[in-house]
Amino acid sequence: QAVVTQEPSVTVSPGGTVTLTCSSSTGPVTSGHFPNWFQQKPGQAPRALIYRASNRHSWTPARFSASLLGGKAALILSDVQPEDEAEYYCLLFYGGAHYVFGSGTKVTVL
Amino acid sequence: QVQLVQSGAEVKKPGASVKVSCRASGYSFSNLYMHWVRHAPGQGLEYMGTINPFSGATDYAQKFQGRITMTKDTSTSTVYIEVNNLRSDDTAVYYCARDGSYDYWGQGTLVTVSS
Repeated sequence: QAVVTQEPSVTVSPGGTVTLTCSSSTGPVTSGHFPNWFQQKPGQAPRALIYRASNRHSWTPARFSASLLGGKAALILSDVQPEDEAEYYCLLFYGGAHYVFGSGTKVTVL
Repeated sequence: QVQLVQSGAEVKKPGASVKVSCRASGYSFSNLYMHWVRHAPGQGLEYMGTINPFSGATDYAQKFQGRITMTKDTSTSTVYIEVNNLRSDDTAVYYCARDGSYDYWGQGTLVTVSS
């Protein structure tokens, strides 16, 4: 099974910008992996932020953007707010029921 | 509005089985696949598999094949996941999530496996 790797943790100042990445052990991440990004806060269900690499859901703040960058999927948080402190997961599709979540990135706003 | 409402918390002994339900409302139940994901304490999210609510066809992640069964009841717009031969490392919050880019999730069901 593929392994999907994310940065374990990042710290960002309020108002700052940070980029989270998502890489695949099988090679470059492409649009064919249909990358999704999720935010999860303690005790809550995950919340979908991004689908198909770069599309925001209707509820996703504009300060969240995403793309494919250098063979990885990337989630960019701009003008970071205190409420953005959370765990962020990517999800990649490898065919059939072969979806794999990334290891997760804990974002601390400090 | 779209809602996915899951059944309540369960406590089971090792070797037992558990069946978790997820009732959908606010959209056409048969039109979108449903996925199951779990989140063990201190771990990341883990994908378990998917069910087609129209046909009942299932597709399970390799790790869970032979140990989980997903079913559906169209009359109540409910999907189920049953996990057999529970072990302590199956202790987790189990979520259903609607296809269509995983836009809606159930509230989660805590399953605790303990002797």
